[in-house]
Amino acid sequence: GAVVSQHPSWVICKSGTSVKIECRSLDFQATTMFWYRQFPKQSLMLMATSNEGSKATYEQGVEKDKFLINHASLTLSTLTVTSAHPEDSSFYICSARVIAGPSGQETQYFGPGTRLLVL
Amino acid sequence: KNQVEQSPQSLIILEGKNCTLQCNYTVSPFSNLRWYKQDTGRGPVSLTIMTFSENTKSNGRYTATLDADTKQSSLHITASQLSDSASYICVVSLSGSARQLTFGSGTQLTVLP
Repeated sequence: GAVVSQHPSWVICKSGTSVKIECRSLDFQATTMFWYRQFPKQSLMLMATSNEGSKATYEQGVEKDKFLINHASLTLSTLTVTSAHPEDSSFYICSARVIAGPSGQETQYFGPGTRLLVL
Repeated sequence: KNQVEQSPQSLIILEGKNCTLQCNYTVSPFSNLRWYKQDTGRGPVSLTIMTFSENTKSNGRYTATLDADTKQSSLHITASQLSDSASYICVVSLSGSARQLTFGSGTQLTVLP
């Protein structure tokens, strides 16, 4: 099946630094990837939709200048948390959209997540 | 507002027992409903996916049912194992939109020996 990887799996950084998280589709191409954030004991919250070759679409309340998304190729999307602060500490998960089968059924494959801790 | 509600919020069962998790949704228009398993500190892994025309879908010891009329779904786990301990998330997909997933808050299942 389709595999999505994320790197790093966890990161600890000082307040004010920037952190880049990579999301890769390992055995397929993904024109659309999604970035989610998940706080403890809560469900995933969509942050933005990453489109290959174009600007990302951000959900309401998500600062595009703080969470920079780049989808430079069909297998890689990156999320950069700029000037991270403790409140940005969370579990960040990406997913890749796949459309397959004769009926064109769409599904999403999730990455393993990146745990960010900002001190 | 499109919503997905899951119950119970948490569940503890003994190894070998069966259990059923519930999902009610108000998402419209509806494309498909998915159940995911999320281990602690990991990304969600798909268990089943059903379109509105499907009533049931099985994946090993996991069986999902869907009643599109009442907008209810259930996930039945048979002969539970310790490795089934995880959060089970119901996700409903809107039709005709790229960013169309509405997530439930999940049911935290703990299987005890």
